[in-house]
Amino acid sequence: NAGVTQTPKFQVLKTGQSMTLQCAQDMNHEYMSWYRQDPGMGLRLIHYSVGAGITDQGEVPNGYNVSRSTTEDFPLRLLSAAPSQTSVYFCASSSHRGATEAFFGQGTRLTVV
Amino acid sequence: GNSVTQMEGPVTLSEEAFLTINCTYTATGYPSLFWYVQYPGEGLQLLLKATKADDKGSNKGFEATYRKETTSFHLEKGSVQVSDSAVYFCALYNTNAGKSTFGDGTTLTVKP
Repeated sequence: NAGVTQTPKFQVLKTGQSMTLQCAQDMNHEYMSWYRQDPGMGLRLIHYSVGAGITDQGEVPNGYNVSRSTTEDFPLRLLSAAPSQTSVYFCASSSHRGATEAFFGQGTRLTVV
Repeated sequence: GNSVTQMEGPVTLSEEAFLTINCTYTATGYPSLFWYVQYPGEGLQLLLKATKADDKGSNKGFEATYRKETTSFHLEKGSVQVSDSAVYFCALYNTNAGKSTFGDGTTLTVKP
C-alpha cells in the first residue's frame, strides 16, 4: 500500500500567492489531519477531519482552508501565503478502530519569500 | 483536555549508552499511548505502542511501559546506536477527543 501520499515535496511561493497542498490515503481511514512543524515547536495541528464532509479547526487554523469531499483526499489550501507560513507540513491519517496509530506522509517543505 | 509532556532535549549520548526519554500525559478515560520516530527529512513513523495499563510496547530494542498510576510512558533502550539518531515523539490517542495529541519531540544524537 502507498499509505499517505503528499505532494509536492518542496515548494517556494511568493508572498500573497495561493496554493494547495495535496494529501491522499489509500487505507480507508476516517480521520485525517494537517500539522505544521517548526524548529523548537513540535507538531501543531492546523485542521482535521473525522470523515468525508466534516472538518474542524486545530490550534493554528488561520490562513488555511480545508475540505473533505472524499474519504481518500484532504487538501490544504493556503489562501494568501505569508513568510510566517514557511514550515514543513505533514498530513496524517488514522482509523477510529483498533489502536488508532497515525500514519504520516513524507512532508511538504514550503518556503514563502 | 489531553496533553503530553516530554523530556526536553536535545539529548546527546555515546554509542552503547543507555537511553531514557521521559513522557507523562494528562487525559480522561483510557487513552492509547505511542512513541513515534522521525528520521532526518522524513515523516513520523510508529516506533511502538501500548493500549492499556501495564502493557509494554517494544520494537528495535526500544521499550516503554504504560504506567497509569504515574501517567507515564517513558522510552528506554539499553544500548543506543548512531542509527538511532532522530527526533522522538510521545503521543496519545483518546477516543473521547477523537484525535491524537503529540508531545513537542526530543532530539537524540548518538555519537560514535
